[in-house]
Amino acid sequence: QKEVEQDPGPLSVPEGAIVSLNCTYSNSAFQYFMWYRQYSRKGPELLMYTYSSGNKEDGRFTAQVDKSSKYISLFIRDSQPSDSATYLCAMSVDSGTYKYIFGTGTRLKVLA
Amino acid sequence: EAGVVQSPRYKIIEKKQPVAFWCNPISGHNTLYWYRQNLGQGPELLIRYENEEAVDDSQLPKDRFSAERLKGVDSTLKIQPAELGDSAVYLCASSLARGLAQETQYFGPGTRLLVL
Repeated sequence: QKEVEQDPGPLSVPEGAIVSLNCTYSNSAFQYFMWYRQYSRKGPELLMYTYSSGNKEDGRFTAQVDKSSKYISLFIRDSQPSDSATYLCAMSVDSGTYKYIFGTGTRLKVLA
Repeated sequence: EAGVVQSPRYKIIEKKQPVAFWCNPISGHNTLYWYRQNLGQGPELLIRYENEEAVDDSQLPKDRFSAERLKGVDSTLKIQPAELGDSAVYLCASSLARGLAQETQYFGPGTRLLVL
C-alpha cells in the first residue's frame, strides 16, 4: 500500500462546477499537507499549504484536512477551463524534514 | 524574478548512452532538490543539497546516477549509462533556507528524458 493514495482520474466537469479532489494517507505522522497544480509539460506549482487539521481558503480554493480519517481534500469553486491541470497532493512529517511524499495526481478537465 | 531554470527541456538518447541535466535555482535559494517523475506518478526525491553539500542522496541510484552542485548554485544530474527505465521527467526544485517541511519548494519545468 502506498503512503499516499490519489485517484488519477481523469475528472471532467462543466465550467462553473464545484470540484472536489481528495487524497488518503496511511502515515499518521504527516503534519504538513500541500496541494500542487501541474499544467502539462510544466513543473508543479504550490496552490495551498495546511499545517495539521482544519480548513484553509484562498480565493476559489479551499483545502481541508481530516487527520482522524487520514483524508485531505481540495475544493475548487466556480471552476474555469484554466483550472484544467493535474493536481498533486503532497505531505510531510512535522520534524523539520523536507521530504515530501506526493500522490500520483488527479487529472482535471474543466469543459467550457 | 526568474524561476528555476532547467535545460535541456527534452532529451532523446539510446540506452547505454550518458546524459546530463542542468538546473539553475532561484537566486538566493540555498536548498536544491532533484526529483524524478514517472508517467502518471508524483515526483520522487532523488537528492537534496544544502548549499554545495548533498545532505540526502539515499534515493539516488548510485551505480549509474551522479550529481554535483559546485559553488552551491547550479547543479548537474548525470546518468551513465542510461537504461530504458530511466525515461521520465527530471524535476529540479529549490527552497530558501534549510529545507524545512513548511518551506515552499519551487519547481522548474523539468527535463523530459526518453531512452530508446
